[in-house]
Amino acid sequence: QSALTQPASVSGSPGQSITISCTGTSSDVGNYNLVSWYQHHPGKAPKLMIYEVSKRPSGVSNRFSGSKSGNTASLTISGLQAEDEADYYCCSFAGSRNWVFGGGTKLTVL
Amino acid sequence: QVQLVESGGGVVQPGGSLRLSCAASGFTFGDYNMHWVRQAPGKGLEWVAFIRHDATDECYADSVKGRFAISRDNSKNTLYLQLNSLRAEDTAVYYCARDGGSGSYSLDYWGQGTLVIVSS
Repeated sequence: QSALTQPASVSGSPGQSITISCTGTSSDVGNYNLVSWYQHHPGKAPKLMIYEVSKRPSGVSNRFSGSKSGNTASLTISGLQAEDEADYYCCSFAGSRNWVFGGGTKLTVL
Repeated sequence: QVQLVESGGGVVQPGGSLRLSCAASGFTFGDYNMHWVRQAPGKGLEWVAFIRHDATDECYADSVKGRFAISRDNSKNTLYLQLNSLRAEDTAVYYCARDGGSGSYSLDYWGQGTLVIVSS
């Protein structure tokens, strides 16, 4: 199972919006509405931000939103804040009880 | 609150073995499926293994199949990962994570990880 494709880095200024893409195949992202997104500050536990493509867990800011079109999922962060600076990973269920992560995207808040 | 605490990491020689543990608290451990995920130095997250809540089913990434074994003891609220035939490329921080359930197939709580270094 190959890793999902994410841009290595994105950046934005405080208050702006950014979008991180996550491209898979018809065997994973395109076949299941089971894409999740994780925020990871190095040295800390990863945090679930979005599940089932667009659902937010309790306590996650509504500045975070998710979507999917075909084999590509996206995470949008609006109203960027300094504390959003982190690594972000997408993940998709890939069938047969297998999961696949993206390579990760480093978000820099300028 | 939900807590997952990994332990058992360390330095091991190539070909060696190690057993990782993940102590769970703050939820009914036996009701949830669980995962192990790892992150090699400078790399992204890699899903490693999954086990059903009742330990009746498990599955592995191709990169560890036949070498690693996931298990759990619901009476001790503990998840395990047995690492055998270790290779340099298994060097990573290993995280345990709870499956969110309800068909979400997401990992809703994670531990802080334990570092495994495979080196001679």
